[in-house]
This record gives sequence, structure tokens and C-alpha cells, in this order.
Amino acid sequence: DGGITQSPKYLFRKEGQNVTLSCEQNLNHDAMYWYRQDPGQGLRLIYYSQIVNDFQKGDIAEGYSVSREKKESFPLTVTSAQKNPTAFYLCASSIGSGYPYEQYFGPGTRLTVT
Amino acid sequence: KNEVEQSPQNLTAQEGEFITINCSYSVGISALHWLQQHPGGGIVSLFMLSSGKKKHGRLIATINIQEKHSSLHITASHPRDSAVYICAVSSSGGGADGLTFGKGTHLIIQP
Repeated sequence: DGGITQSPKYLFRKEGQNVTLSCEQNLNHDAMYWYRQDPGQGLRLIYYSQIVNDFQKGDIAEGYSVSREKKESFPLTVTSAQKNPTAFYLCASSIGSGYPYEQYFGPGTRLTVT
Repeated sequence: KNEVEQSPQNLTAQEGEFITINCSYSVGISALHWLQQHPGGGIVSLFMLSSGKKKHGRLIATINIQEKHSSLHITASHPRDSAVYICAVSSSGGGADGLTFGKGTHLIIQP
């Protein structure tokens, strides 16, 4: 079955610790995205990558970092610099970019930082 | 980035009713997406459209580019349709830089 996996589903961390959220896809998609969802707000774009070894900041990139060393993997690190890291994080992918394509979403990771 | 507004924010209806959710956006887009989010959090793409109308089962999506408005209709609604429905747009550049989302419409269908 093709799809996007995110692990773990729930993640708990102490304030001041960095944490890495995984995102893997076996859809052979070029483009991958990280979004954040907070209660009462729409999803917001953190980072996106259109191709391996390249990525761009989204609207709320401060306090986050990413890498795209392999086509199928796009991990997100939430650093201690992120002021409000508790949120629901969704990874998505699409076939490519430069033309509107349907986006496929992973099941999400709910991060709680205390 | 475009601003995307959805209405209503919350909607409760009885099983069998015809449901309409509206979405307005402010600037040029290359496509509009309707997404469904279930309580567990996973999101599924329902439609992507740039003109006209699309239908899948009991779901119908329409878009009016001139008026910058889209609607999602559910016919013969069922309790299993209860979910958050999200409108999102791809920018006029093709959406390479991700989607811009509305806040969602929380739909509850009562038996």
C-alpha cells in the first residue's frame, strides 16, 4: 500500500529538548510539506521541499529545521527555539510542483511539550 | 498568501439533510481543494478543482472563479459524514509552495 507514514502518533517532550518528527512516503512523490495545526486555526505551512537536497521555509519556519537527503524522507526537527511547540503536525506530499497537484497527508503526530 | 474564509464554522444537521459549506478566497489561485479531517486527525483529499463542478458519490464541489467562491454539497447526509471539512487553495504559481487553508467547518450529522 502506498502512502505516508508519520511516527510516533503521540510524542511528549520536556521544554528545552529538540525533537525530530519522522515522515516517510512510498508514493514516489517529489514534493513534500510540513504543516502545523492549532485549535481554531487553519493548517499553516512550516517547510516544503520540491526535490531532494532542497527545501524552503514556509510561513512559520522559525524554531524548526528540516532535511531532505532522500526522496522518500522529510524529517522535521522542532528545536528549543520554537516558543509554542505543542501542536498537531501533519506531513504531506504531492507528485510534483509548478502545477497544482492533489496533496496526500500522513496521519499526523501530536506533540506535547511541558 | 491568499486568505481563505469558510462558513459556517460549525454545522449540526439531521440525517438526510442537504448540506452546503462555503469557501471564499481573496486573490488568484491555480486550484481549490476540499479536504476532510476525521476526529483522529488524518486528512483526506476530497476534490481538487479549478473550474466548474465535480461529483463523487454524494459529494459535489463547485467553484466560481469570477466570484472567488466555492461550495461543497453533501446530499442525503449520514452520521458517517460527521467530520471537519477544510477548504484550501493552491497559489496562482501552481501551488509549489504549499496550500493555504481555511479554518474548517465542523459538521455533525445526527441520526
